[in-house]
Amino acid sequence: GAVVSQHPSRVICKSGTSVKIECRSLDFQATTMFWYRQFPKQSLMLMATSNEGSKATYEQGVEKDKFLINHASLTLSTLTVTSAHPEDSSFYICSATGTGNTIYFGEGSWLTVV
Amino acid sequence: DAKTTQPTSMDCAEGRAANLPCNHSTISGNEYVYWYRQIHSQGPQYIIHGLKNNETNEMASLIITEDRKSSTLILPHATLRDTAVYYCIVRVLYNQGGKLIFGQGTELSVKP
Repeated sequence: GAVVSQHPSRVICKSGTSVKIECRSLDFQATTMFWYRQFPKQSLMLMATSNEGSKATYEQGVEKDKFLINHASLTLSTLTVTSAHPEDSSFYICSATGTGNTIYFGEGSWLTVV
Repeated sequence: DAKTTQPTSMDCAEGRAANLPCNHSTISGNEYVYWYRQIHSQGPQYIIHGLKNNETNEMASLIITEDRKSSTLILPHATLRDTAVYYCIVRVLYNQGGKLIFGQGTELSVKP
């Protein structure tokens, strides 16, 4: 299947700072990318959908000014957690789809805010 | 998006077939049935999807009832590495939105 890669896989940042997570589609052009977060022992929660070249569409309850999503190219989307706080510590997962009907997921990024 | 109902957990003996059920009684005509699995601390892995016909690939088979209100994922010879949380999701066609909304899934434990 298609490959979606996230970087970094683990990151620790200080409270109040911003951290960026990258999501790349390695072997296909991703017209749409999705960002999820997952807390321990819970299911994945969709945060936002981004289409290349357009503003992201955020799910209800997700702060767009806190979770900045950029999808500037067909192979790269970034999620920036601004002014991070310990409650933002979570597993962040991206996924991507191209012209087909299948969505592929990245390996996930663990964010710890101390 | 239609909601799905899955058992919270299931056990399966190694080497036996694992049959994971999913109810999606409010599925619409333009919604596919997708299955993903997530092994602890990893991103979800795509398994299979279908619209109304049964599907088979190298990982699994998907059996969808004629009325499309339920489906079963079959892992024909479960191994210990198949232990994971399995998610059944219904999703509109890509060009109509296409996002995946995850429920709680079924935690499958394959035991020796």
